[in-house]
Amino acid sequence: NAGVTQTPKFQVLKTGQSMTLQCAQDMNHEYMSWYRQDPGMGLRLIHYSVGAGITDQGEVPNGYNVSRSTTEDFPLRLLSAAPSQTSVYFCASSRQGRGSNQPQHFGDGTRLSIL
Amino acid sequence: TQLLEQSPQFLSIQEGENLTVYCNSSSVFSSLQWYRQEPGEGPVLLVTVVTGGEVKKLKRLTFQFGDARKDSSLHITAAQTGDTGLYLCAGAVSGTYKYIFGTGTRLKVLA
Repeated sequence: NAGVTQTPKFQVLKTGQSMTLQCAQDMNHEYMSWYRQDPGMGLRLIHYSVGAGITDQGEVPNGYNVSRSTTEDFPLRLLSAAPSQTSVYFCASSRQGRGSNQPQHFGDGTRLSIL
Repeated sequence: TQLLEQSPQFLSIQEGENLTVYCNSSSVFSSLQWYRQEPGEGPVLLVTVVTGGEVKKLKRLTFQFGDARKDSSLHITAAQTGDTGLYLCAGAVSGTYKYIFGTGTRLKVLA
């Protein structure tokens, strides 16, 4: 079972460059989300989507864009990379539900360094 | 800004000891989840608690959701080296599709 697949696993960028982090899930989950994980800060929600064509902002959305054209894919775009965006990025998916108790399934993360 | 504070931040114990990790907030959550994360991997769900006062057991792990649904605890009995990892709590914010994660507790169990 593939579950949630994130690519690339590692990336180094220069300040000002743009890139897209890919996330795909094969569980037909309506809900998908992006988090960043920084030391001592747990995971912080960047953007989320409750279905194809529907996205919304999380806790720390500035500097990131998302779109959801299919149920399976939820790419995260860095528009102009900054050193403060150096982090580990996780994509997650789950079944739909407001205030949901559905488990979130996480990918293995993308480790991003901005020089 | 809603916060979930976990304590302790770090814990190093001997195999066979008991421990408790706490997850506290001033906000009410519709449910609370506990995850464990290994190095280089994403978090993996351990349990979800939904009802205030609920207690769930998973082998040597006991999870409790506070009566007011603002806090939770994870108790491990007779810790094993395989319990080593980062433990994260996550609250589902009532009336939204958002989850708030705690700051994490890094546990190391020594043989």
